[in-house]
Amino acid sequence: QKEVEQNSGPLSVPEGAIASLNCTYSDRVSQSFFWYRQYSGKSPELIMSIYSNGDKEDGRFTAQLNKASQYVSLLIRDSQPSDSATYLCAVNILTGGFKTIFGAGTRLFVKA
Amino acid sequence: GAGVSQTPSNKVTEKGKYVELRCDPISGHTALYWYRQSLGQGPEFLIYFQGTGAADDSGLPNDRFFAVRPEGSVSTLKIQRTERGDSAVYLCASSPTGSTDTQYFGPGTRLTVL
Repeated sequence: QKEVEQNSGPLSVPEGAIASLNCTYSDRVSQSFFWYRQYSGKSPELIMSIYSNGDKEDGRFTAQLNKASQYVSLLIRDSQPSDSATYLCAVNILTGGFKTIFGAGTRLFVKA
Repeated sequence: GAGVSQTPSNKVTEKGKYVELRCDPISGHTALYWYRQSLGQGPEFLIYFQGTGAADDSGLPNDRFFAVRPEGSVSTLKIQRTERGDSAVYLCASSPTGSTDTQYFGPGTRLTVL
């Protein structure tokens, strides 16, 4: 099992719809979870961080964390064509040291 | 203020050569990370520095890879006897203190080994 798993997509949604991105992780002691957005040819940039179970909202973005299920998700409301990018889930792994492990990313296409 | 910078932006080298990749973190950030990213994949963790010391170097793939951060600021990733499989984008990130902080990424160095 990979430490951080995401569906590679592509995920295609129409403009104005809700995009739902999912991520599972294997390290039960992880405490810090991040969603990064990466445009083609660019570096990752942080969208959301979440540390506690439940929902965290920031504008059109909502991150959801369920530590019992080892699951973190990102919802994008009112999706825009400019949201088309690869979304990377990242988890700080504390077992055996300290490292940040990224998933392979989910490619999102928002159709105008 | 200035973000994370990396030099060179592109590096083409021949198999077997030695390369150095440089990262200038955001001023005052004590944590520094190196990743490499291949096409279609997420960033792969290589090493994490807290100050001058490597807090976790478990991601370095083998002993051809080495990284230093002698003064707790600039870091250099060194790759000896490069192989074609080392071709990737090498990303550097820094964060204020590490642990739970947001990581700010540099633009990356695209390494091509011919």
